Amino acid sequence: SQTIHQWPATLVQPVGSPLSLECTVEGTSNPNLYWYRQAAGRGLQLLFYSVGIGQISSEVPQNLSASRPQDRQFILSSKKLLLSDSGFYLCAWSVFPSRWNTEAFFGQGTRLTVV
Amino acid sequence: ELKVEQNPLFLSMQEGKNYTIYCNYSTTSDRLYWYRQDPGKSLESLFVLLSNGAVKQEGRLMASLDTKARLSTLHITAAVHDLSATYFCAVVKLLGRNNAGNMLTFGGGTRLMVKP
Repeated sequence: SQTIHQWPATLVQPVGSPLSLECTVEGTSNPNLYWYRQAAGRGLQLLFYSVGIGQISSEVPQNLSASRPQDRQFILSSKKLLLSDSGFYLCAWSVFPSRWNTEAFFGQGTRLTVV
Repeated sequence: ELKVEQNPLFLSMQEGKNYTIYCNYSTTSDRLYWYRQDPGKSLESLFVLLSNGAVKQEGRLMASLDTKARLSTLHITAAVHDLSATYFCAVVKLLGRNNAGNMLTFGGGTRLMVKP
């Protein structure tokens, strides 16, 4: 069965520090991978998606970046965190290349607090 | 641009009562998803609705889809405290050139509180 691992679960970082969140998927090949952010009490905002190794698309301009060094690994990074980067970050995957198999499965999330 | 709107955003109800959450979306889509999120937790898939007129039920929750009206409903029957959570609907958005990928666009969520 497919599983998705996301870590760390919680993170407190000072303003201006770097960030690296990692997500890995097991049990599937060529998944679509996604990073979402959820501000407190709000909905989900898509940040990045990837349809293959090295292929990253950004939905929202920000000081974050993403990389996909391996088929089932997706990394969210920042060189210098801002207070506004605080939130709940969720990694998700869906089946590829079937364009209609779109149900997304989510990791457990990382709660980031920038202080 | 695909927009997904849920209402109400917040719902407080007593145990044993019935209520409906609505999800409207702006462009054609034949698939709609409902997720549940408990406080501080990730999203759990509840229903996948694949065609017009689809109806699915799990316990006290029933979801339906009307693609012509671009509307989905999540009906709660005889609510219990354990149903307290935030519920999201999501609709397919095709991404990238040549529709190379796909993603879900989420509504803003409905926070449900069931009081004893």
